[in-house]
Amino acid sequence: DVKVTQSSRYLVKRTGEKVFLECVQDMDHENMFWYRQDPGLGLRLIYFSYDVKMKEKGDIPEGYSVSREKKERFSLILESASTNQTSMYLCASSYSGRARGSLFFGPGTRLTVL
Amino acid sequence: DQQVKQNSPSLSVQEGRISILNCDYTNSMFDYFLWYKKYPAEGPTFLISISSIKDKNEDGRFTVFLNKSAKHLSLHIVPSQPGDSAVYFCAASVRSGYALNFGKGTSLLVTP
Repeated sequence: DVKVTQSSRYLVKRTGEKVFLECVQDMDHENMFWYRQDPGLGLRLIYFSYDVKMKEKGDIPEGYSVSREKKERFSLILESASTNQTSMYLCASSYSGRARGSLFFGPGTRLTVL
Repeated sequence: DQQVKQNSPSLSVQEGRISILNCDYTNSMFDYFLWYKKYPAEGPTFLISISSIKDKNEDGRFTVFLNKSAKHLSLHIVPSQPGDSAVYFCAASVRSGYALNFGKGTSLLVTP
């Protein structure tokens, strides 16, 4: 069974804090992704990585950065959390190559920024 | 700009009837389409996909239809079951792309 795990299910942080969201997959997938889900806006791509140390901006990268030091781990960093970053964050992974196959998602992290 | 559009935020269907969820797209370079299902407090799970070289793909109770000329696809669930109640996301990708473009989702409620 493909497993994508995220470090926290629920997280509450204060404005201005630096926040780390961790994601680990156990299927040796090359591609990893960070999406956020907001009511009425669907899933929006923040960043993705197609290889170790490689990263590409998605549709809404502002205020975020990522790190992929190991193949199985992809971290999302909120440099200085703001209230508009309160959201559900979803990590996903997929096999190598282009998006021919499906993405496997983690359970999500519900982040609240106060 | 939303390239994948799901214009119905919600849909309610009686158990045993057909559920039809619709999706439109604007990017003619999309050549692979997928449907995901999401329960509350869980990540989305892959449901069914279709390549642009086909116009129909079936998997059990789920069928996806693709109309390339209209840039429209639909997901049919027959018969609908209460356990199908979830949010359904339509997604698309281009041949050269890594990531998926998602629609806003349609919340399906199947009532007994």
